[in-house]
Amino acid sequence: QVQLQESGPGLVKPSETLSLTCTVSGASISNYYWTWIRQSAGKGLEWIGRGYSSGSTKYNPSLKSRVTMSVDTSKNQFSLRLTSVTAADTAVYYCAARRQGAYYFDYWGQGTLVTVSS
Amino acid sequence: QSALTQPASVSGSPGQSSTISCTGTSSDVGRYDLVSWYQQHPGKAPKLIIYEENKRPSGVSNRFSGSKSGNTASLTISGLQAEDEADYYCCSYAGSSTSWVFGGGTKLTVL
Repeated sequence: QVQLQESGPGLVKPSETLSLTCTVSGASISNYYWTWIRQSAGKGLEWIGRGYSSGSTKYNPSLKSRVTMSVDTSKNQFSLRLTSVTAADTAVYYCAARRQGAYYFDYWGQGTLVTVSS
Repeated sequence: QSALTQPASVSGSPGQSSTISCTGTSSDVGRYDLVSWYQQHPGKAPKLIIYEENKRPSGVSNRFSGSKSGNTASLTISGLQAEDEADYYCCSYAGSSTSWVFGGGTKLTVL
């Protein structure tokens, strides 16, 4: 059973960098595309981007200038960095897995709330 | 504003059916047969219930079904049960540039 667990600071100051890690268990990190999705309070889901063990990444065009993702195969972890955050970045952040060749997200972490506030 | 448009809420009585629509464009829903649906209970992570428009993952009740016509996808839940009360989100692949778009979510209330 694939399990994902997000971790990172729950509070980030405006203009600083949000950093989150997703720890993967029950699967090889090399077999999936690893995705970050966020959900603002009372709003829908937003795809942030995805990474792969090869180092390839793809980001939401609206966030591309502020986002960096990476996969650490030695630790079975996937990370997100979002720079210059504002209150609009306050959200629950989920990591999710998509199998190669699949166009859906079949495994999700429980999510972690990140609040941007001074 | 979400890329895909869903009604904010729908409702139905136990045993009845309820349908949730998801309207996109010819660049996403209309172009690809790659719509998925997710169920989310309060405080929980989304759960995949339909993929590739009308396929159900193992373990998902056959009361859930999906379809698509043009730029609009639909999720139908038949034989409504109290446990179906949740938020439902659609998602579509939108090509290599945009990649993925989601709907704003629909709250299903079982009366």
